[in-house]
Amino acid sequence: EIVLTQSPGTLSLSPGERATLSCRASQSVSSSYLAWYQQKPGQAPRLLIYGASSRATGIPDRFSGSGSGTDFTLTISRLEPEDFAVYYCQQYGSSSWTFGQGTKVEIK
Amino acid sequence: QVQLQQWGAGLLKPSETLSLTCAVYGGSFSGYYWSWIRQPPGKGLEWIGEINHSGSTNYNPSLKSRVTISVDTSKNQFSLKLSSVTAADTAVYYCARGNYGWLGYYYYYMDVWGKGTTVTVSS
Repeated sequence: EIVLTQSPGTLSLSPGERATLSCRASQSVSSSYLAWYQQKPGQAPRLLIYGASSRATGIPDRFSGSGSGTDFTLTISRLEPEDFAVYYCQQYGSSSWTFGQGTKVEIK
Repeated sequence: QVQLQQWGAGLLKPSETLSLTCAVYGGSFSGYYWSWIRQPPGKGLEWIGEINHSGSTNYNPSLKSRVTISVDTSKNQFSLKLSSVTAADTAVYYCARGNYGWLGYYYYYMDVWGKGTTVTVSS
């Protein structure tokens, strides 16, 4: 099973700042099957990025994804108040999905 | 606009079987995989398993011995059964659509989610 490790666990930033979230895989992951989700309290996760770098429908361009192999990054260029949430990376491989443990982006 | 509506028993006793159903409205049922994911209180997301319209399934190896996912294409519904539950199975359970295909590159992601069902296991 591929393990995804996200860092940092918590990111304390102010609105307007840049957020850089990391997702590292225990073995190489197909970029086609690497996605990022945002989850707010009491809500279901929302797809942000798929294929490592493609934005989902309706996602603002301040969200961007990059990476390949075992290292992937989600960047939020300028944090808006509604961006403070938990972010998960996810991968599909060998007929199985795994999620990272999440990074919480909180207001500093 | 595709919507997933899910329901099922919210309170179970240890050793009972968890049973949830998810209905798909406003879109095609075929051509996708349909997943169950859970989230224990204050913790992260765990994938449970998936099924397509033909009944082909994949399960999380750590839960495989207790999980059955089935499909009813006549109702555009899919269901989850998790047997022999314990307190460790207490979680919010989500259903989600797995969207896959080819656009010059392969893609597969979960783009539509249900609102979640809280399941508590307690004696």
